[in-house]
Formats: sequence, C-alpha cells, structure tokens
Amino acid sequence: QKEVEQNSGPLSVPEGAIASLNCTYSDRGSQSFFWYRQYSGKSPELIMFIYSNGDKEDGRFTAQLNKASQYVSLLIRDSQPSDSATYLCAARGMNNNAGNMLTFGGGTRLMVKP
Amino acid sequence: IAGITQAPTSQILAAGRRMTLRCTQDMRHNAMYWYRQDLGLGLRLIHYSNTAGTTGKGEVPDGYSVSRANTDDFPLTLASAVPSQTSVYFCASSDTGTGGEQYFGPGTRLTVT
Repeated sequence: QKEVEQNSGPLSVPEGAIASLNCTYSDRGSQSFFWYRQYSGKSPELIMFIYSNGDKEDGRFTAQLNKASQYVSLLIRDSQPSDSATYLCAARGMNNNAGNMLTFGGGTRLMVKP
Repeated sequence: IAGITQAPTSQILAAGRRMTLRCTQDMRHNAMYWYRQDLGLGLRLIHYSNTAGTTGKGEVPDGYSVSRANTDDFPLTLASAVPSQTSVYFCASSDTGTGGEQYFGPGTRLTVT
C-alpha cells in the first residue's frame, strides 16, 4: 500500500467549475506537503506547498491541510482546459534519513471540458 | 542555463550496455535526486544525495549507481542495462535549508531493447 494515496481519476469538470483533488497520507510524522502538476510527456511542476493546518491560497489554487485527518487537498477555481493534467501529491518527513526526500502519490488525472 | 538540465533527452540502448544519464543544476541546491516514472507505478526514488560527496539509496536502487563529485552534477549510471529499466528518468534538486520543495529537470526517456 502506497503511503500517499490519490484517486487516479480521471476527474472530469466543466470549464469554470471548481476542481477538487484529494490526497491522504499514512505517516503522522509527515511535516509538509506538495502539489505538482504534470502535463503529458513533461516533468512535474511545483504548484504549491503547505506546512500548517488550514488553507493556503495562491491565485486560483488553494491547498488545504488537515493533519488530524491526514488529508491534503488542492482546489482549482475557475478551471480552464489548460488545467487538464495529472496532479501529484507528495509528503515530506516520512521516516527517512534523506532530509528533504518526498514520497509521491500516484497522481490524479484532471480533465477540464470546454 | 536556469534550473535543471538533463541529457540525453531520449535514448535507445541495447541490453547489456552501459549508460550514464547526466543531470546538472545551477540553483546551488545541496540536495539532488533521481526518480524513474513508469505507467501505473508513479514516481519512484532511485538514489539521492543530500550534499556533495554523499549519496544514498532510494526505493529502487538496484542496477543503478550515482556519484556527487560537486554541487551541480549528479550523474546516474546503468552498468549493464536491462529491458526493465525502460522508463522516464527525472532528476530533481532541493535546498535542504528551506521547505523541501523539489524542482525537476525535463527528463530522459530511455528504452532498453
């Protein structure tokens, strides 16, 4: 069982809607969390990171963290077709000696339909 | 250059051959990483280096070796390639003095025949 879990999707939303991407993690020692966007055939691109419980907003993106529930989410407001990609959730601080080593979930494929 | 570069972009390699994938960063990050990404398996860590002169094993290190002679370069070597090493390889770096966010290179698509 992966230590960071995501629904593989695809998650399909209409253009202009809010897309909600979810991620759960197993290790309560996880300290910080990251969302990456990966277009087909490209490398992962960092969107946001969050360390503290609550919400963190950056433009159309909001990351939400609930450490008690071991749950991280990414909301994308006013979704655009250009947001169609795979979104990877990652956690840091999961029983390793490798400093900033991240554990990645399998990713959720998002499709925004015009 | 700005960020991370990887070479080659893609390669077809005969089984049994030796291959080195190159990775260079210009961000002065102290930590660097090699991942492979396979359909259905996601990103898996092969090797990492927290600082120049040190390396460590990740989740799937067998068949791969790395070195970190300086801050900027982190080559990945396949000593004797096998078809199961067909994958997309990503190099990444991070600054261990900040929050741990990693930045990825453009990747190398390797096919072992």
